[in-house]
Amino acid sequence: NAGVTQTPKFRVLKTGQSMTLLCAQDMNHEYMYWYRQDPGMGLRLIHYSVGEGTTAKGEVPDGYNVSRLKKQNFLLGLESAAPSQTSVYFCASSSNRVGYTFGSGTRLTVV
Amino acid sequence: KNEVEQSPQNLTAQEGEFITINCSYSVGISALHWLQQHPGGGIVSLFMLSSGKKKHGRLIATINIQEKHSSLHITASHPRDSAVYICAVKGGSQGNLIFGKGTKLSVKP
Repeated sequence: NAGVTQTPKFRVLKTGQSMTLLCAQDMNHEYMYWYRQDPGMGLRLIHYSVGEGTTAKGEVPDGYNVSRLKKQNFLLGLESAAPSQTSVYFCASSSNRVGYTFGSGTRLTVV
Repeated sequence: KNEVEQSPQNLTAQEGEFITINCSYSVGISALHWLQQHPGGGIVSLFMLSSGKKKHGRLIATINIQEKHSSLHITASHPRDSAVYICAVKGGSQGNLIFGKGTKLSVKP
């Protein structure tokens, strides 16, 4: 099994550009999450989903949108990228009975 | 005050040493997770525990619910154990993870 797959792994954007990060999981997990990781800070939750067709805001949702049209996919969108969104982004999935599985991360730089 | 505190922030050890990383939390939890992140790498789940103790190879995780404290132990440490170890707590069945800032471990040969 692939687990959780994130694409792309690296991206450089200019301020104001838009992009979508894709997260796919093949474990039939109900819950999916998007986090960002910045130096000196713990992982922070951007948005999450408790099931297909549902999404909710996390700790730092501003500037991001998400969609979960299919159970296995969770998309994170940046409509107008800002330098403050330079970060490493991690997707994760979980179910009630098992721990979390994380993707390998996307390193995003906004210039 | 952060809801999840880890200590130490940085730890340097010699190969073979016994290592302990501590995690204290201030909220009620349903589970505590220990994660490992290698430099430039992804995040791997090591343990999920809600009581007692778990062991996997040279890694041991313990939790004391009454004291709101958990420890991660590494026996016979090896340079390949060098990584950031992250403690995270889940604040209820529908709660989301709250992360500590991590402990950076470096094991010298």
